[in-house]
Amino acid sequence: GQNIDQPTEMTATEGAIVQINCTYQTSGFNGLFWYQQHAGEAPTFLSYNVLDGLEEKGRFSSFLSRSKGYSYLLLKELQMKDSASYLCAVRDRGRSSASKIIFGSGTRLSIRP
Amino acid sequence: GAVVSQHPSWVICKSGTSVKIECRSLDFQATTMFWYRQFPKQSLMLMATSNEGSKATYEQGVEKDKFLINHASLTLSTLTVTSAHPEDSSFYICSAREVASGRANAYEQYFGPGTRLTVT
Repeated sequence: GQNIDQPTEMTATEGAIVQINCTYQTSGFNGLFWYQQHAGEAPTFLSYNVLDGLEEKGRFSSFLSRSKGYSYLLLKELQMKDSASYLCAVRDRGRSSASKIIFGSGTRLSIRP
Repeated sequence: GAVVSQHPSWVICKSGTSVKIECRSLDFQATTMFWYRQFPKQSLMLMATSNEGSKATYEQGVEKDKFLINHASLTLSTLTVTSAHPEDSSFYICSAREVASGRANAYEQYFGPGTRLTVT
């Protein structure tokens, strides 16, 4: 089966940096995603890692260590609009040819002025 | 970019009735579509994987006779909640994965805007 863990809530200050960690266990790892979700809306894609290392995209960066089953999402220069839930998700190859994305419980990030 | 639409965006129905939710990929073909359910303040829970032209694969604990999935074409999948009850009230989100088109693993799934179902 799969298991994805991330903190339930985090708080950070506008302009600062925050790191959201995610650990996972899966039998057929085939990539890790980070999504942002504002209340009442569908998730929006932030990043994808399939190889070890850091992927940087503007203010957001995502890191993956496959040997440790660990990833983090780094948000820099925080803005009030970054207040949202951040979902760590793992693609599991499974036994069938159609792999599927399984989501963690999400981290609710609150930004204070 | 790839766009996925859902219809309706919200629906209120009476207990015991059935509700159909449509998921369409607007500018790409999707051999595989996924249906998720999200309760308030919880994450997305995968309900089923829908493959065009074949039966859907349901996750453990999801009743296939209650949540009927049809994926009749490469751009349309439907989820029908049969005999809905108040506990079925939730946010239902579909996502679609593009036909590989030469890439062994198209890495991104495109999410629809979601359908909020309220059963009274």
